[in-house]
Amino acid sequence: GQQVMQIPQYQHVQEGEDFTTYCNSSTTLSNIQWYKQRPGGHPVFLIQLVKSGEVKKQKRLTFQFGEAKKNSSLHITATQTTDVGTYFCAGQGVSGGGADGLTFGKGTHLIIQP
Amino acid sequence: DSGVTQTPKHLITATGQRVTLRCSPRSGDLSVYWYQQSLDQGLQFLIQYYNGEERAKGNILERFSAQQFPDLHSELNLSSLELGDSALYFCASSAVARVNYNEQFFGPGTRLTVL
Repeated sequence: GQQVMQIPQYQHVQEGEDFTTYCNSSTTLSNIQWYKQRPGGHPVFLIQLVKSGEVKKQKRLTFQFGEAKKNSSLHITATQTTDVGTYFCAGQGVSGGGADGLTFGKGTHLIIQP
Repeated sequence: DSGVTQTPKHLITATGQRVTLRCSPRSGDLSVYWYQQSLDQGLQFLIQYYNGEERAKGNILERFSAQQFPDLHSELNLSSLELGDSALYFCASSAVARVNYNEQFFGPGTRLTVL
């Protein structure tokens, strides 16, 4: 079945440094979503990428979807303490009906040292 | 607050028992998804319902079942519980059946502990 690998598992950064997490799928994706989960909280939707090569920005966050629609990345510029949490990518495969649930990566835990 | 509610927040039970987790989706959302989150497996998709009908199945065990009622709330039934079923169970909802072009809103989760 479809697998989504995410690296790194943990990332320690100093406040103000940049952060990047990478996501790779074993199969071509129809779309990819990114979620953030704060410690003790629930996943919260950040963004969805659909088109090959798509790049989207949200303030300090930049999301990319690979040309082959099998990989994606999330880059945070100048991290702040509010960025702490686990970032998950979640992909949906190319299959009929579009009713499949999301396949989540195992997430990257972002730890920020002030 | 996502608008998705889940009860109970915490559940402690013994092996071999059966429990029911409840979810109320956001007002107007027709799709409900169930996920299991554990330390070793991460977030695993279990099952999706749309307007009362099962739409997609993921890694759901045969000991687990779910349903969505006419008022759109959903229940996840876990039976013959094992220690390994201890996890955080999330419900999510979205407006339509297709995940494409549509974000999912997650509830606060139910933490299940099997002793």
